[in-house]
Amino acid sequence: SQTIHQWPATLVQPVGSPLSLECTVEGTSNPNLYWYRQAAGRGLQLLFYSVGIGQISSEVPQNLSASRPQDRQFILSSKKLLLSDSGFYLCAWSVLGRVYRYTFGSGTRLTVV
Amino acid sequence: GQQVMQIPQYQHVQEGEDFTTYCNSSTTLSNIQWYKQRPGGHPVFLIQLVKSGEVKKQKRLTFQFGEAKKNSSLHITATQTTDVGTYFCAGANTDKLIFGTGTRLQVFP
Repeated sequence: SQTIHQWPATLVQPVGSPLSLECTVEGTSNPNLYWYRQAAGRGLQLLFYSVGIGQISSEVPQNLSASRPQDRQFILSSKKLLLSDSGFYLCAWSVLGRVYRYTFGSGTRLTVV
Repeated sequence: GQQVMQIPQYQHVQEGEDFTTYCNSSTTLSNIQWYKQRPGGHPVFLIQLVKSGEVKKQKRLTFQFGEAKKNSSLHITATQTTDVGTYFCAGANTDKLIFGTGTRLQVFP
């Protein structure tokens, strides 16, 4: 069966520090991968999505970047965090080539102080 | 760009009362999905509707896809405290889903 792993679960980082969040999927090949951010009590904002290795689409201009170095690995990064980067970051995967159900990771709650 | 709106934003009900959330898209959708996010948790897939006018049921939950495939609804009969959470609809757009704004449901015992 397919599983998605996301870590860390919580993170407190100072303003100006770098960020690296990792997401890996097991049990499937060539997944579509997605990064979402959710502010407290708000909806899901799509940040990046990827349909293959090295292929990244950015939905919103921001202080963040994403990379897909391997088929089932998706990384969200920042060189210098801002206070506004605080939020709940969710990784999700779906079947390639279809708009199919998303399976979300358990999320990372990031607080920038 | 495509937008998916949900109403209401919040709903507080007494346990046993019914609840409905409505989802509206600015464009026609190929399919619509519904997700539930428990407080502190991540969204979990509930169901997908594909056909115009489609109605599906999961126990006390009834999902409907509009005839024009631009709107959808989720109705919960006789809510329970376990129904607490935020319900999101999501509309298909080429290779990604556009999530609705969500409806947060609170159920008082």
